[in-house]
This record gives sequence, C-alpha cells and structure tokens, in this order.
Amino acid sequence: NAGVTQTPKFQVLKTGQSMTLQCAQDMNHEYMSWYRQDPGMGLRLIHYSVGAGITDQGEVPNGYNVSRSTTEDFPLRLLSAAPSQTSVYFCASSYVERVFFGQGTRLTVV
Amino acid sequence: RKEVEQDPGPFNVPEGATVAFNCTYSNSASQSFFWYRQDCRKEPKLLMSVYSSGNEDGRFTAQLNRASQYISLLIRDSKLSDSATYLCVVGYAGNMLTFGGGTRLMVKP
Repeated sequence: NAGVTQTPKFQVLKTGQSMTLQCAQDMNHEYMSWYRQDPGMGLRLIHYSVGAGITDQGEVPNGYNVSRSTTEDFPLRLLSAAPSQTSVYFCASSYVERVFFGQGTRLTVV
Repeated sequence: RKEVEQDPGPFNVPEGATVAFNCTYSNSASQSFFWYRQDCRKEPKLLMSVYSSGNEDGRFTAQLNRASQYISLLIRDSKLSDSATYLCVVGYAGNMLTFGGGTRLMVKP
C-alpha cells in the first residue's frame, strides 16, 4: 500500500543545475500538487493538476515546471536551481479534501 | 497579512496538561477546515477535520467560529507523543488548501 512515493529524499544541487523530483501515487486520485515548506512559512503551493494533461500554477510557481502525462505521475522540474529554492518539497495526492503527502525531498542549492 | 495565521510557539507543557492552539483565516469564502500534525522531518498527516458544530476525537477537540474566522484545537491530558507541529489548514474551491505556518508543541515529562 504505497500511497504517494516521492524521490529522491535528499538532494544537493549547484546553482544553475536542473533536476526533476519524481512523484507517483497508486490511489487513482485525479488531483495532485506540489508544495514547498520553508521555516515559519507553512506549505506553499507550487503547481497542481486536476487530472492527466491538465496543470496549473499555484502560489509560488516561478522556477518550476510540471507535467501530468498519466494519472499516477506528477514530476516537478527545477529549470535552473537557485539558492532561494533550498527547501523541503512535498508532493500530495488528494481525493475530495483528504490529502496524502509523500515523505518529502530536502533540497539544498549551493 | 497571511491567509492563515498561527502562533508559531513553541508551547512547552508538562505531561498531563491541557493546551489550546488558535488559528485565524482571512478568506471568508473558505469552506473546509482541518488540523494536520507534522512530526520533525516528516510529512504532514491529517489529525482531524473541523466542523461548525465542533468535533471531538479522544483527547482532541476542534472548534470553528465562522463569524470570527477562527479555528481552535484543544488537547487534553497531553502525552509525550503529542510533541509535534500542528498545522491549521483551510480549504476552498474543492481541493485548494492554504496552510498556516504551524504551531510547535513540546510536551515534557
């Protein structure tokens, strides 16, 4: 019973590098989202998707891209990493208002 | 002004104490309300939903005051295992959620 699987758990990038955070869910949920969590800021929505082929921007989308080619997968791509993107990233999958989070990715950009 | 505001704490309480957390939200169109628990370096997990009539789950009681746009969480008989950060979460337009910054609770022996 995997739920939401998010990889990697930890990552260190150099400024300017690109990378993709992977997220997969096995609950057949239509709605998936990506958040970042910074100290004292709560979780802020980066991008979300209401179903395969449909994505939209959240509160803090700049510097990130997403795609949703299947119901199961919702990868988050950092185009050119910046130190301001150092954060903890959570992928989430939800049904109605019940939200399931992945275990998080701790990203450090140096 | 943040859409969902919480006192960040930390709240340091002895075992067995009763502790209350408050949360205010600014969007009057908000439709759903939750408390999530987040352990250190872990993902948030749903603790309980909050209903207008108030609801209780064991030692935890949640209240909602729509007129004042205020949500509360009461924990009775605190346990060491209650130590965590408690996130106030407000939902609108279906799946859209806004998270507060969290209140950190530390229960001491």
